[in-house]
Order: sequence, then C-alpha cells, then structure tokens
Amino acid sequence: AQKITQTQPGMFVQEKEAVTLDCTYDTSDQSYGLFWYKQPSSGEMIFLIYQGSYDEQNATEGRYSLNFQKARKSANLVISASQLGDSAMYFCAMRPGGSSNTGKLIFGQGTTLQVKP
Amino acid sequence: DSGVTQTPKHLITATGQRVTLRCSPRSGDLSVYWYQQSLDQGLQFLIQYYNGEERAKGNILERFSAQQFPDLHSELNLSSLELGDSALYFCASSVDPHRTENTIYFGEGSWLTVV
Repeated sequence: AQKITQTQPGMFVQEKEAVTLDCTYDTSDQSYGLFWYKQPSSGEMIFLIYQGSYDEQNATEGRYSLNFQKARKSANLVISASQLGDSAMYFCAMRPGGSSNTGKLIFGQGTTLQVKP
Repeated sequence: DSGVTQTPKHLITATGQRVTLRCSPRSGDLSVYWYQQSLDQGLQFLIQYYNGEERAKGNILERFSAQQFPDLHSELNLSSLELGDSALYFCASSVDPHRTENTIYFGEGSWLTVV
C-alpha cells in the first residue's frame, strides 16, 4: 500500500537554527514525486519543495532543502535559519507514478513546528 | 497567492442543508482536485477532474458530488449535511496529472461549519 509516515507530531526549534522534519514513504512504483507543503494557522496549503524519484540531486528552494534517501525511502525536509514565520504544520506528500498515477497526492499526518524566539 | 481561487472562504450552515463550494483553477491548469481536511481524518482526497471528465475518486460520500465545467472551474456539492461534515475543503489544480513532477497548487480552502 502507498503510504506517507511522519513520525513527529510536534517539533520545537530555536529561531535561526536548522530543523529537520522526517518523512518516510512506501510505494512499489519506480516513478513518483515527493512534495512538502506548509499550512500556517490561517489554513492555506503552501507548496514548498518537490523531489522526483529519478532526481539524483537533493532539491533546494531557498531555505528549504530535501534530504532524499531513496534506498531508505525517506524524504526529510530541512529548514535552515528558522524564522518565527516558519511556525506551522508541515505535510509530506507523495504523488504515485506509473499505472497508479491519477495525479492525486497521498499525505502524511503532518508535523507541527514551533519556532521559539 | 497560489492562483487557485475558492469561494466561499467561510460557511456556516445547519444540518440537513446543501451547500456548493466553488473553485477556479490556476490559469492553464486542466486538472482539479478536491480534498477534505478534518481533525480526525487528516487530509482526504475526495475526487479529481481532468479537462471536464472525472478521473479519480477517493473517499467521497454519496451525499457529495462534483463537476468540472467547460471553463474548467469546478464545484463541490455537499448535501444532507451532518455535523461530521464540518471541515476545511481544499481545491487544488495542476497542469498535467500524468506527470509526477507537476506541482499541485492549493487554494486557501473553504471552512465549512455545520451546526
């Protein structure tokens, strides 16, 4: 079964420090996409970063990077130099490929990140 | 701003009633997705349309229905509402659902409260 697991319900980080949010996934597909989204308390779902299963380099977008370890089926999000505005819920999601590709996303349960001043 | 527009942003209605949520996808996006987010169920995929045709169905109740119109906007109809239908309903869109790298962008959501 295709599944995303986020084992950290809540995390704290000091402002200006780096933090890693964990994500593991389960799929038998060779082709798939991995996404991270941020959901602030206002509710909107904001796209952060994408990693393709065939990408050899880890994705980066500004202060966000994705630590992709394909053999371990993990796709951890690293936020560098945390800011107060990073306090939010973070979701890892997978877009299956191959014959099961309808385009929909499978989401993890989310990790709540609190940045302390 | 993701470019996906959802209306209304907030809605309070009584049990047994019917509501319609509306979504305009990003310009150029052909695929529309509906998701439900509740405290106990997390983010659940409801249904997907591609260029006017239903493409995938998830955990969508029979009381719920959706459609995508020729101008690509979509509506999610929720009827015979129950207290448990209270949730945040997201619309999302993407260019091509066949390509895993195409990002799915979400709207700001419609908060539905059933009283």
